Amino acid sequence: AQSVAQPEDQVNVAEGNPLTVKCTYSVSGNPYLFWYVQYPNRGLQFLLKYITGDNLVKGSYGFEAEFNKSQTSFHLKKPSALVSDSALYFCAVRVPPSGGGYNKLIFGAGTRLAVHP
Amino acid sequence: NAGVTQTPKFRVLKTGQSMTLLCAQDMNHEYMYWYRQDPGMGLRLIHYSVGEGTTAKGEVPDGYNVSRLKKQNFLLGLESAAPSQTSVYFCASSLTGLGGIYNEQFFGPGTRLTVL
Repeated sequence: AQSVAQPEDQVNVAEGNPLTVKCTYSVSGNPYLFWYVQYPNRGLQFLLKYITGDNLVKGSYGFEAEFNKSQTSFHLKKPSALVSDSALYFCAVRVPPSGGGYNKLIFGAGTRLAVHP
Repeated sequence: NAGVTQTPKFRVLKTGQSMTLLCAQDMNHEYMYWYRQDPGMGLRLIHYSVGEGTTAKGEVPDGYNVSRLKKQNFLLGLESAAPSQTSVYFCASSLTGLGGIYNEQFFGPGTRLTVL
């Protein structure tokens, strides 16, 4: 089955420390992978994506993510966390169409990042 | 640019009532989407549109209808609301489809709907 998993419901990190939010996927073909962030009472905001090319992708607000094909992972990272990074983070993967269907974006359940002063 | 806007922000309905959620975007995007977000779950696609005058079903289309009469607007209708439709609804748009280069989606702020 094609899916995306975020194994941690919540990640706690101290301000200034590095952070990692994990994402693994299962999809046929070449994956298109995305990270979105949701601040309280707001819509999702695009952070970064991987389609092809360099495995390390840089995005908004100092975030980056590493595509690892052998481990089928796309973990989100930041070298130094800020309190303002506290939010809900979603990983998503494009699932290609089958049988005349459509490209579909499957979202993980989300990981809540809490950065403590 | 306002980006993607949604009206209303909040709504409470009784079972069986109908309503329409409006989504508007000013980025000249071709693709528009309606999602619902439920606790502990990622977003699920209800319907989508690949251009003016076109609509298609997503993962969870039952109980919803949509229309895209103008490129900038995408309406989501509930004909007879049910408690299972209590959720937060997000509209999104993108310049290209997911298979294209400019496939990142831009989201509206959401509509919180409660069906009693």
